[in-house]
Amino acid sequence: GDSVTQMEGPVTLSEEAFLTINCTYTATGYPSLFWYVQYPGEGLQLLLKATKADDKGSNKGFEATYRKETTSFHLEKGSVQVSDSAVYFCALLNYGGSQGNLIFGKGTKLSVKP
Amino acid sequence: EPEVTQTPSHQVTQMGQEVILRCVPISNHLYFYWYRQILGQKVEFLVSFYNNEISEKSEIFDDQFSVERPDGSNFTLKIRSTKLEDSAMYFCASGSGGYSEQYFGPGTRLTVT
Repeated sequence: GDSVTQMEGPVTLSEEAFLTINCTYTATGYPSLFWYVQYPGEGLQLLLKATKADDKGSNKGFEATYRKETTSFHLEKGSVQVSDSAVYFCALLNYGGSQGNLIFGKGTKLSVKP
Repeated sequence: EPEVTQTPSHQVTQMGQEVILRCVPISNHLYFYWYRQILGQKVEFLVSFYNNEISEKSEIFDDQFSVERPDGSNFTLKIRSTKLEDSAMYFCASGSGGYSEQYFGPGTRLTVT
């Protein structure tokens, strides 16, 4: 079945460091891909999305490019801030017949130190 | 900005008891979902709901689970007889279309003792 694999955390960075969180997927068909973020004590918030190959999603300085050839959707940010400390979830939504249930990775906890 | 709300934020119950987790989706959304996350594991789909009926459910969503939209605003998840392994964070989500973005609530942490 469809699945998402994320790099294991936690990831600890200093402020202004470059961030990459790897995400790869397995899916039949042509899924949409998402990054969700969960700040401490809050729910899952959509960070960015991409609906087809080579699309780049971006928001709040974060970017991810849908790479069909490598089945990847890695999250990047050029300069992280302390306020980016959160858990990041990669997810896919497959249009192959299901009524829109998201399939998530395990999440990667990011801690940014001043 | 509209948001999905969930109550309670934390529920502690004894094994075998019934619990009802409540959600208020975004008001103009038509699709509703429940997910759960056992500590340290993936967020897992439980059930989707549209037009007052279940659209899809996962293997986890067995006969102990049920969902209801009792009054046009609330969306509830009932667990009839809780087990220790039901301890998890339960997330409600809603969306305007079957394949549109899903907006999540803050979750209810269920602890079964």
